[in-house]
Amino acid sequence: QKEVEQDPGPLSVPEGAIVSLNCTYSNSAFQYFMWYRQYSRKGPELLMYTYSSGNKEDGRFTAQVDKSSKYISLFIRDSQPSDSATYLCAMSFGGYQKVTFGIGTKLQVIP
Amino acid sequence: KAGVTQTPRYLIKTRGQQVTLSCSPISGHRSVSWYQQTPGQGLQFLFEYFSETQRNKGNFPGRFSGRQFSNSRSEMNVSTLELGDSALYLCASSLAETSHNEQFFGPGTRLTVL
Repeated sequence: QKEVEQDPGPLSVPEGAIVSLNCTYSNSAFQYFMWYRQYSRKGPELLMYTYSSGNKEDGRFTAQVDKSSKYISLFIRDSQPSDSATYLCAMSFGGYQKVTFGIGTKLQVIP
Repeated sequence: KAGVTQTPRYLIKTRGQQVTLSCSPISGHRSVSWYQQTPGQGLQFLFEYFSETQRNKGNFPGRFSGRQFSNSRSEMNVSTLELGDSALYLCASSLAETSHNEQFFGPGTRLTVL
């Protein structure tokens, strides 16, 4: 079993839809939780990060962490075709420890 | 401010050869991490260097090695290439001044092993 599980998709939604992306993890020691976006032929870029449990909002993006369920989510409101990319969840123990990534979910927003 | 640069962007090698990939971090960043990305396994951590010292290491065989220079530029080397080493190799840099810093990724080097 992988430390971080993420459905690779692909996920296709119409423009304007609310998108929900999720990851589960097995190691309860993870403390930092991140979401990256990766466009084709580019490196990943950090979208959001949260420390421990809770919600964080940034514009159309909301990240949620539920440590009791070992489950993290990223919601995208009013999705746009420019949101079409692969979304990777990632987590770390902190203290300069390595970052562990999910396999990524490919999202396509159809105009 | 210039981003993370990686050279070369594309590389084709044959089995048994060795390869060296280069990464120049963002100016002022002292930490450089390397990742291998494949469709089946996703992003897997190779190693991290900070101030010329390897600080963390992933679960890859000894054929994969790296180093960091005094100007924070980093190289990774893969010896005795195997078909399964075909992947996108990504480098990420960070300030590493606190216990958690944002990693900035380069565009990657696409390695194909024939």
